[in-house]
Amino acid sequence: AQSVSQHNHHVILSEAASLELGCNYSYGGTVNLFWYVQYPGQHLQLLLKYFSGDPLVKGIKGFEAEFIKSKFSFNLRKPSVQWSDTAEYFCAVNGPGNQFYFGTGTSLTVIP
Amino acid sequence: DTGVSQNPRHKITKRGQNVTFRCDPISEHNRLYWYRQTLGQGPEFLTYFQNEAQLEKSRLLSDRFSAERPKGSFSTLEIQRTEQGDSAMYLCASSSTGFSQPQHFGDGTRLSIL
Repeated sequence: AQSVSQHNHHVILSEAASLELGCNYSYGGTVNLFWYVQYPGQHLQLLLKYFSGDPLVKGIKGFEAEFIKSKFSFNLRKPSVQWSDTAEYFCAVNGPGNQFYFGTGTSLTVIP
Repeated sequence: DTGVSQNPRHKITKRGQNVTFRCDPISEHNRLYWYRQTLGQGPEFLTYFQNEAQLEKSRLLSDRFSAERPKGSFSTLEIQRTEQGDSAMYLCASSSTGFSQPQHFGDGTRLSIL
């Protein structure tokens, strides 16, 4: 079975700080990669996705992620966070059989 | 809002009872997914449908769990003989067909077992 690891469980940053959240997955074949965000009291929403092509993908709200195949990683980045980015962030992988595997999530708190 | 709708939002029941949750996907989406999420964890894939066909159910947690999507529109997830450990958030998501299509999630049904 595949697994997705998010090593940062809880991150606290001040506004304007840079963000990088780690995501590693275990499957060695072709995968699709996603980052989802869950704002307080809201449902999961797609931030960005990678299927093929340019390994640097840009999403909504200034987020981007880089796929590094050799490291089985798909880290999420944002140059300057805002208070409104406070949320739970989930990395997900879609592999064979169209099964999705999510990481345990990273809780981000941005201090004004 | 024409997003994914789940009912009820919260279900409280006694251990041993059966419960059924409903999910109405986005109307043009023919794929529908069920997940379970417990505190401090990410969503755990349970099963998914393409139209009325259940294409993957090997990850349903036990034979007490079953899901249907009889007409390819709404879906139900049933848990029989509920146990304490079934307390969780049950999420539904839908997507268009295609390996690359992202999922749209509902707000979930929170199950509490007394």
